[in-house]
Amino acid sequence: QSALTQPRSVSGSPGQSVTISCTGTSRDVGAYNYVSWYQQDPGKVPKLILYDVTKRPSGVPGRFSGSKSDNTASLTISALQAEDEADYYCCSFAGTSSWVFGGGTKLTVL
Amino acid sequence: QAQLVQSGAEVKKPGASVKVSCKASGYTFVNHGLSWVRQAPGQGLEWMGWIYSGNTNYAQKVQGRVTLTTDTSTNTAYMDLRSLRSDDTAVYYCVRDIGPAGDAFDIWGQGTMVTVSS
Repeated sequence: QSALTQPRSVSGSPGQSVTISCTGTSRDVGAYNYVSWYQQDPGKVPKLILYDVTKRPSGVPGRFSGSKSDNTASLTISALQAEDEADYYCCSFAGTSSWVFGGGTKLTVL
Repeated sequence: QAQLVQSGAEVKKPGASVKVSCKASGYTFVNHGLSWVRQAPGQGLEWMGWIYSGNTNYAQKVQGRVTLTTDTSTNTAYMDLRSLRSDDTAVYYCVRDIGPAGDAFDIWGQGTMVTVSS
């Protein structure tokens, strides 16, 4: 099972929007609407910010949104804030009780 | 509130085994699956395996070296990794399946650092 492909880094200025892509295959991202996203601050435990492509857990700001087209899922963060600077990981269900993560994207807020 | 509390850091020699525990509280343990995810220093997240109601599935990369178990009497999950190698050095997390409401890992343990070094 190969890792999902994410850009290594993205950046944006406060107030702008950034989008992080997550490309898989027809056996994972393309096969299921079960893509989730995690935010990880340096030295901290990852935190769930989106699941089932578009759903936000309680407490996650509406600035975080998700979408999916074919084998690629995307996380969009609008109205960027300094506190959004972190590593972001996508994850997809891959069938038969298995999951695969993306390699992670470092978001820098300029 | 729901939480997962893991056992402490371990230092092992190559070829040895390690067993990490993960104690659940604040929710009905048997109603949620549990996965184990690891993160090597400076690297990304890697799914290792899953357990629910006695059923397990493991990532190909660790298949044959890892065993996941649960003790429902103590609401504790265990990850046993054998024949340790230096590239098993990582922080190991137990993570809870969100449940029938969707598919995601909504609760994470605090992580257990396992260092493999001679």
